Amino acid sequence: NAGVTQTPKFRVLKTGQSMTLLCAQDMNHEYMYWYRQDPGMGLRLIHYSVGEGTTAKGEVPDGYNVSRLKKQNFLLGLESAAPSQTSVYFCASSYRTIASDTQYFGPGTRLTVL
Amino acid sequence: SQKIEQNSEALNIQEGKTATLTCNYTNYSPAYLQWYRQDPGRGPVFLLLIRENEKEKRKERLKVTFDTTLKQSLFHITASQPADSATYLCALENQGGKLIFGQGTELSVKP
Repeated sequence: NAGVTQTPKFRVLKTGQSMTLLCAQDMNHEYMYWYRQDPGMGLRLIHYSVGEGTTAKGEVPDGYNVSRLKKQNFLLGLESAAPSQTSVYFCASSYRTIASDTQYFGPGTRLTVL
Repeated sequence: SQKIEQNSEALNIQEGKTATLTCNYTNYSPAYLQWYRQDPGRGPVFLLLIRENEKEKRKERLKVTFDTTLKQSLFHITASQPADSATYLCALENQGGKLIFGQGTELSVKP
């Protein structure tokens, strides 16, 4: 099992450019998440999905869009990148129950917006 | 809103000693609390989950306690090794049902 994979690993964008980050999981998890991690800020939830075809906003959704057309994939889009979106982006998936929500993370994508 | 506080200062200890990391939270009392490990350049990895009705949980050299009165969890690594050096994140479910993470505490174990 590959677990959670993310592509690309690194990317540099100019302000105003667009890009899509791809997350894939092979654990048949219903829930998937996109986080950003900035120094001193911890992990912050951008968007999440509770199943194929569903998406919802997290704590910091502005400037991002997501899609979950297939259960195993969760895409994060930046339509017009801004320097404030320079960050490390992590995707995670989980098999959530009432008793737990253990999340499995991908290796991250380091994005720099100039 | 729910807040999590972890010691932002790095913890430096000698190999073989016990490392103790603290996680404090405010407001809503979660049904469970989790600890993750994050190595530089990598995603967090789940270590342990402790539920509100459990006082203590152990896994090999790791021990987690959960005091719902103090709103605090302690994470202990006994007989620490240089390989334990990493950042450790505390996470809990907020009132909206979302997992929120602390900033993490960096642990450095010196040989």
